[in-house]
Amino acid sequence: GESVGLHLPTLSVQEGDNSIINCAYSNSASDYFIWYKQESGKGPQFIIDIRSNMDKRQGQRVTVLLNKTVKHLSLQIAATQPGDSAVYFCAENGGATNKLIFGTGTLLAVQP
Amino acid sequence: NAGVTQTPKFQVLKTGQSMTLQCAQDMNHNSMYWYRQDPGMGLRLIYYSASEGTTDKGEVPNGYNVSRLNKREFSLRLESAAPSQTSVYFCASSDRVDSYEKLFFGSGTQLSVL
Repeated sequence: GESVGLHLPTLSVQEGDNSIINCAYSNSASDYFIWYKQESGKGPQFIIDIRSNMDKRQGQRVTVLLNKTVKHLSLQIAATQPGDSAVYFCAENGGATNKLIFGTGTLLAVQP
Repeated sequence: NAGVTQTPKFQVLKTGQSMTLQCAQDMNHNSMYWYRQDPGMGLRLIYYSASEGTTDKGEVPNGYNVSRLNKREFSLRLESAAPSQTSVYFCASSDRVDSYEKLFFGSGTQLSVL
């Protein structure tokens, strides 16, 4: 079946370092991907998205990379800050209903 | 702009009780959604409404009903709550463009069914 998975359930980084959060997707028909950030007790918040006609997209301190050959998505956060501590979800738009399918999330813990 | 507003934030029910979760968005979005989030699992779609006047089942609709009251409001009803429905519920809205749909979420309702 379709699935969106994350390789690392928990990622611990030092403040100021760069963070890389990975995601594997299984549906080759997916052509749109989103990263969400969820802080404790809050709803998911949109970070950045990418369409399948792109390999890379940059935002403020964040970059998303898409490798369609191996069905892999990554989120890079530059100069990680304590405020970046949260659970990060990737989502893809594949599937029979063409609705977003979410991964289980990676907890990013930023150490001071 | 408030975005997506959900009420209540917390609720405790006894098995068999009923309740309605309310959701409203002020972004003039056509589509609205209800998800549940359980520990160790991704967000799972319960019901969605692609436009005012329409509703459709998602991945886990059993035990729930929805009403798209108008373009702004989308409610989720539990007719007879069960412990398996203990979860965090999120409402979301989007303005779909082709197949590219960016969802905006509310802050969630934490529901416990005893």
